[in-house]
Amino acid sequence: AQRVTQPEKLLSVFKGAPVELKCNYSYSGSPELFWYVQYSRQRLQLLLRHISRESIKGFTADLNKGETSFHLKKPFAQEEDSAMYYCALRANAGGTSYGKLTFGQGTILTVHP
Amino acid sequence: ETGVTQSPTHLIKTRGQQVTLRCSSQSGHNTVSWYQQALGQGPQFIFQYYREEENGRGNFPPRFSGLQFPNYSSELNVNALELDDSALYLCASSLEGEGEAFFGQGTRLTVV
Repeated sequence: AQRVTQPEKLLSVFKGAPVELKCNYSYSGSPELFWYVQYSRQRLQLLLRHISRESIKGFTADLNKGETSFHLKKPFAQEEDSAMYYCALRANAGGTSYGKLTFGQGTILTVHP
Repeated sequence: ETGVTQSPTHLIKTRGQQVTLRCSSQSGHNTVSWYQQALGQGPQFIFQYYREEENGRGNFPPRFSGLQFPNYSSELNVNALELDDSALYLCASSLEGEGEAFFGQGTRLTVV
């Protein structure tokens, strides 16, 4: 079974402070991990995926298979980062085109001025 | 290139009724997945359609069913609605199931 846990429902930081949104997963195989973001009144959109190993809007996330974690980090938070963030896992189905995403419960990030 | 569109945006139904939700996939995408998002929860996978066939299903009863059409648009049908079916229903499309999933704005279903 696949499970994604985001332990913090709410996270508040001040502008310029570092931010870390935690994500832990359980899956026996080799997963793909994603971070999705939903800004106010907008649709859910992909922020980054672990296989890309890129930084988007200053955010990075490293897959730690030993700790089964995929925490999202940004060194200096901005007010426009305030949003709902979801961590998601997709099982590596080996080319069957099966793309089920398992989401965590989400973390609401508020960045205060 | 148009994004994923869902209709209607809001809907109120009575317990026991049936409902059909619609999704137009992004241009060029052949895979559509449906998710249910209850208040305060993350989206939960209902099922996926790939080239007009169901290609994976989550832990939802058979009264949740779907279709995918030759143009890759999709419908989600829910029979015998229950109060707990009240949720935001999200549709996501991708090019092959393993591609990036693009989400629609969702349909807010309220069952009274």
